[in-house]
Amino acid sequence: QQQVKQSPQSLIVQKGGISIINCAYENTAFDYFPWYQQFPGKGPALLIAIRPDVSEKKEGRFTISFNKSAKQFSLHIMDSQPGDSATYFCAASRRITGGGNKLTFGTGTQLKVEL
Amino acid sequence: KAGVTQTPRYLIKTRGQQVTLSCSPISGHRSVSWYQQTPGQGLQFLFEYFSETQRNKGNFPGRFSGRQFSNSRSEMNVSTLELGDSALYLCASSLELGGDTIYFGEGSWLTVV
Repeated sequence: QQQVKQSPQSLIVQKGGISIINCAYENTAFDYFPWYQQFPGKGPALLIAIRPDVSEKKEGRFTISFNKSAKQFSLHIMDSQPGDSATYFCAASRRITGGGNKLTFGTGTQLKVEL
Repeated sequence: KAGVTQTPRYLIKTRGQQVTLSCSPISGHRSVSWYQQTPGQGLQFLFEYFSETQRNKGNFPGRFSGRQFSNSRSEMNVSTLELGDSALYLCASSLELGGDTIYFGEGSWLTVV
C-alpha cells in the first residue's frame, strides 16, 4: 500500500523557471512532512519540512504548500538552477508508540534544470 | 561536525552469504534508523534503534537485523543474501528518539551476485 504518492516521476524545467512537485498522502495520522534532495551517489539531504498546522513554509527559493483537507502537499522551487538538478523525495511521518519516528517516502521526482 | 558515516561504501557478496554494515551517527545523536533504497521499491524503513534497543521495525523478513552499541554506533546484518537484497542501504541519525530532523549518510551499496 503506497501511503505517499508523488508526481511527476520526472520533470524538466528551464533555468529560472518554477519547479513544482506534488505529493498526496492517505494516513491522516501523519504529522510531519519533509522534503529530501538526493544527488547521484549521495544520501538524501533534508531540504525543508512542514507540520500540518501551517499552510505554507518558505526557505530561500524553496516553498512547501500544504493542504490538510485535500491531504496534499507540494514543493515549489523558484528560480530553478542547474545545480538543483537532483531527485526529490517527499516523505511523511507520524509518532509511533514507543516514541519512534518512521519516514514513509514518495517514489521520487527526477528534476533536470536546463540552461 | 562530521555527518553520518557508513562503511563500507561498496561491497559485492554472493547469494547465501551474510553481510554486516556499519554506521556512526552524528556526534551527540542517539537515534539511528536504517533504510533500504532500490529503483523498484524506493526508500523503505528497516528499523530504528535508540539506547541500544530496537524501537521500530519495518516490513522486512527476519534475515534483516541490527543492533546499536552504547556509543550509539549501529550495525545492520543481512543473512542468507538474496539477489533482491541488492540495494543502497542508508543509515540516518537524529538527536533523540522520534526526532524530526533526520540526517542520512551516503549509504552502503550492496550488490548480491
